[in-house]
Order: sequence, then structure tokens, then C-alpha cells
Amino acid sequence: SQTIHQWPATLVQPVGSPLSLECTVEGTSNPNLYWYRQAAGRGLQLLFYSVGIGQISSEVPQNLSASRPQDRQFILSSKKLLLSDSGFYLCAWRENLGDALHFGNGTRLTVT
Amino acid sequence: DQQVKQNSPSLSVQEGRISILNCDYTNSMFDYFLWYKKYPAEGPTFLISISSIKDKNEDGRFTVFLNKSAKHLSLHIVPSQPGDSAVYFCAASAQGTYKYIFGTGTRLKVLA
Repeated sequence: SQTIHQWPATLVQPVGSPLSLECTVEGTSNPNLYWYRQAAGRGLQLLFYSVGIGQISSEVPQNLSASRPQDRQFILSSKKLLLSDSGFYLCAWRENLGDALHFGNGTRLTVT
Repeated sequence: DQQVKQNSPSLSVQEGRISILNCDYTNSMFDYFLWYKKYPAEGPTFLISISSIKDKNEDGRFTVFLNKSAKHLSLHIVPSQPGDSAVYFCAASAQGTYKYIFGTGTRLKVLA
């Protein structure tokens, strides 16, 4: 069966520091991968998605970037965090078009 | 522009009664709709979906209704149980696209 791993579960970082959040999926190949952010009052905001290695689509221009160095690995990064980057970050995957998204347990990021 | 809207931020229901959660969308290209349940500090869990070729889909206590002309869908939970207390998100996607657009969520509280 397929599983998704996302870490760390919580993270406190100072303003201006770099960020790297990692997500891996097991038990499938060539999944579509997604990064969402949950912010208060805005639901789940799509940040990035990827349909293959090295292929990244950005939905919201901001201080973040994503990379997919391997088939089942998706990384969310920032060179310099802002206070507004605080939030709950969720990685998700799906196998095929028309499937539901399946989410990891998320990372609570607090920028101080 | 919020393409998927959940206008009720919260809902309280007595145990054993029906819970009805509503969702409206504006993009007529959406043809696949999903409901997710989310507990605090966890990722959303997929509940049930419906394609635009149907107007109803049922899975145990959960039924989703789709009214395409009104661009409205609803999730019915019968009977409601205290363990159903969570935030519920609706999401929508258009055929051939990779994006899933989420609403802002409705917090359901089932009272024992």
C-alpha cells in the first residue's frame, strides 16, 4: 500500500533563515505531488505541484520554491523566511488523473 | 477569487441527527468534487467524491449531492457521531488539470 511521509512535524525558525521541508511517497511510481498551505480563513492554498522529476508548477508567487529531485521526493524550500511564511504545510500525492489527493500529516512552521 | 466557497464556518448538530455541509463553486469547468475531513494537527483525510456525470454518491453514513445547475454540492452525514467532529473541506477539479481547489472549511461539532 502507498504511504506518504512528511517531516518535520513542527518547526520554529527565525526570520531570514532558510527552510527545507521534505516529503516522500512509498508504494507508487510517478505520482503527481503537491504542496499546500493552510492559513487561517483561507482554507488550503495550492502552492506547487509536480507531474514528474524536475517538473514544477508554481501557483502563487511568493518566497518559496519547490523541487523534485527524485520520482517520489518533493521538497519545499526558502532561502530567507518571512513572518508571513508561518502556517501549516501539507504535502499530497495522487496516482492518476481523476484520483483523490492523499495528504501527509503536515508541518507546522512558525517563523519568529 | 475564491472559486470554491464554504459559507458556513461552523455547524453544531446533536448526535444521531443529520449533518449537512454545503459548498458552492463558480467555475463551470469543474467536474470532479471531493470532501475531506481534517482533525487538528493532521492532514486532511479523503471521505467521498463525485463526478459531474452523477448527482449523488453514497458511502456508508456519507452521501454527497451535486446540483450542477446551481453549482452547489452538499455532504450529508447520517447519523452524526461525536467522532465526526472535525473541519470538513470541499474541493473541486477540472478534467485534464492537475489542480484541486479547496474551500475554506466548515467546522462540525457533534454534541453528545
